[in-house]
Amino acid sequence: QVRLMQSGAEVKKPGAAVKVSCKTSGYTFSSHSITWVRQAPGQGLEWMGWVSTVTGNTFYAHGLQDRVTMTIDPSTTTAYMELKNLVSDDTAVYYCARSTLLGLWFPDDFWGQGTLVTVSS
Amino acid sequence: DIQMTQSPSSLSASVGDRVTITCRASQGVGSSLAWYQHKPGEAPQRLIYGVSSLQSGVPSRFSGSGSGTEFTLTITSLQPEDFATYYCLQHYTYPLVFGGGTKVGIK
Repeated sequence: QVRLMQSGAEVKKPGAAVKVSCKTSGYTFSSHSITWVRQAPGQGLEWMGWVSTVTGNTFYAHGLQDRVTMTIDPSTTTAYMELKNLVSDDTAVYYCARSTLLGLWFPDDFWGQGTLVTVSS
Repeated sequence: DIQMTQSPSSLSASVGDRVTITCRASQGVGSSLAWYQHKPGEAPQRLIYGVSSLQSGVPSRFSGSGSGTEFTLTITSLQPEDFATYYCLQHYTYPLVFGGGTKVGIK
């Protein structure tokens, strides 16, 4: 069955970086891009960007493009999201989602379980 | 960037009620509109894509409609498991944008 398994919770200090992994299984990795979405406490869902699992090409949300890097490792069918220069507003649950191409790539029905990243001094 | 405005931001309803949630886009998004359900502690679940196509496995009480800039998610007979927050998402142009969410609570 299709599974996306994310790495565990992280606690980071302001200014640090965090790298979240998303190990996929149960489908052909190169057939679906990966989208990253986050949800801050008490807030709604925020689209962060996507990474092509064929080329590694990316597109990031405007407000994050200077600090976020999304990568893939096809050999392990794993996607990564690294966020640098963390601030308290980056405290959130981060999700990876398998994506469908309909016009643009967008999340389909298979998501990781979420990774809580807490930024605190 | 396209702005997505959902209304209402929250509502209270009873089991069996018909519930309608609206999503307005600041510019046309064609048919690139999806709806997601999100429950606390769980990953979001896609309900609808392409405005009105029902995701496999999603109950038929969920339906989507609309065009251009105004879209609707309807739950025809609310069930206990439907109490959650619902989000629309435009995937017509970058950046993709979620609506602010509609929390459906128990009356």
